[in-house]
Amino acid sequence: DTGVSQDPRHKITKRGQNVTFRCDPISEHNRLYWYRQTLGQGPEFLTYFQNEAQLEKSRLLSDRFSAERPKGSFSTLEIQRTEQGDSAMYLCASSSNRDSPLHFGNGTRLTVT
Amino acid sequence: SQQGEEDPQALSIQEGENATMNCSYKTSINNLQWYRQNSGRGLVHLILIRSNEREKHSGRLRVTLDTSKKSSSLLITASRAADTASYFCAPTNAGNMLTFGGGTRLMVKP
Repeated sequence: DTGVSQDPRHKITKRGQNVTFRCDPISEHNRLYWYRQTLGQGPEFLTYFQNEAQLEKSRLLSDRFSAERPKGSFSTLEIQRTEQGDSAMYLCASSSNRDSPLHFGNGTRLTVT
Repeated sequence: SQQGEEDPQALSIQEGENATMNCSYKTSINNLQWYRQNSGRGLVHLILIRSNEREKHSGRLRVTLDTSKKSSSLLITASRAADTASYFCAPTNAGNMLTFGGGTRLMVKP
């Protein structure tokens, strides 16, 4: 399978704990995106990388969230001191260039108790 | 980046009927994309229509674009139960930060 993969699929954590998610994009794609989606809503843009450079972050993204893409391959999204409001599906997507469609992974569902 | 707004929010039809969903947006675009999302899964790209195109077909899908009205529609013909999903439009400008509205939740009853 050469699609976008995300790990883990599900994560349950207690409030205050740190969590880290991983995304492996399609190998030849240089653009990588993170979105967050809550039930009944559309995906909300969080941040975007072109190769290893993080080029845009949503102003909705608090400083508890950090994303990296070392070497321009896989990416990680870390949430520090999780809050119940962080409970959501976190989606990763990749694309090959500016006008190409996005290819999404199946997401990591985070539940903060 | 800009967000498309889908209408209606929910649509329920019988298998075999056609389903039409609409999308409105606010500023100029390079292209507009439609995506489908099955419950608990990621989004899947369906079709991309460029700003200089007025209509595009892909299998049972037909997309129209009216840049003067800043609107697009997605028509699914001869719907099947497997078409049950949420559908999102994503108008795209030069920055290609795709943003999504709340989507149209389509239910196709067998």
